[in-house]
Amino acid sequence: DQQVKQNSPSLSVQEGRISILNCDYTNSMFDYFLWYKKYPAEGPTFLISISSIKDKNEDGRFTVFLNKSAKHLSLHIVPSQPGDSAVYFCAASGSGNQFYFGTGTSLTVIP
Amino acid sequence: NAGVTQTPKFQVLKTGQSMTLQCAQDMNHEYMSWYRQDPGMGLRLIHYSVGAGITDQGEVPNGYNVSRSTTEDFPLRLLSAAPSQTSVYFCASSRDRRTGELFFGEGSRLTVL
Repeated sequence: DQQVKQNSPSLSVQEGRISILNCDYTNSMFDYFLWYKKYPAEGPTFLISISSIKDKNEDGRFTVFLNKSAKHLSLHIVPSQPGDSAVYFCAASGSGNQFYFGTGTSLTVIP
Repeated sequence: NAGVTQTPKFQVLKTGQSMTLQCAQDMNHEYMSWYRQDPGMGLRLIHYSVGAGITDQGEVPNGYNVSRSTTEDFPLRLLSAAPSQTSVYFCASSRDRRTGELFFGEGSRLTVL
């Protein structure tokens, strides 16, 4: 059973606007969350992370929000740029040694 | 600075053949792992290692073996390939087993006929 879910397979946004990518998780023991970005024919690259003791983490144009009560996190990209077009994966980890990934959301930023 | 290196990048196998996907990292990371990526399934953990001589199973370990004789290398072995193992495989390493970012290789695309 998928413990980390990304229910939107794809998202299209105009350049300069905000992109919001969503992720839900089911395991309340997860306490660390990450977002990765993947271009075609490349491996995923780390984007931003957040610990469960925080509800927001910001890095330049990228902000991750965590709502623990709803078991939901989101990635905001402002402003969106064409180079942001990629597949975005959210991931979670808990007390074990495993990272659990969502199914990914393909973001297209339209110039 | 090579990071995580995977070989081969592409491979075609016949059902029943065996092969090894190689993974090497030069960042002195203790944690290494193998994922497979399939359409609609995201990245699923196959096996992982928290240090030399220590390996453990992930979500989808069946049909795969691993070993970790050195900190740098973490090969993934398919003993008898099946069409269901057609996938893109990624090796990843991290300095921290829980909160460290994973560094991924470029991937190995495997097709089993």
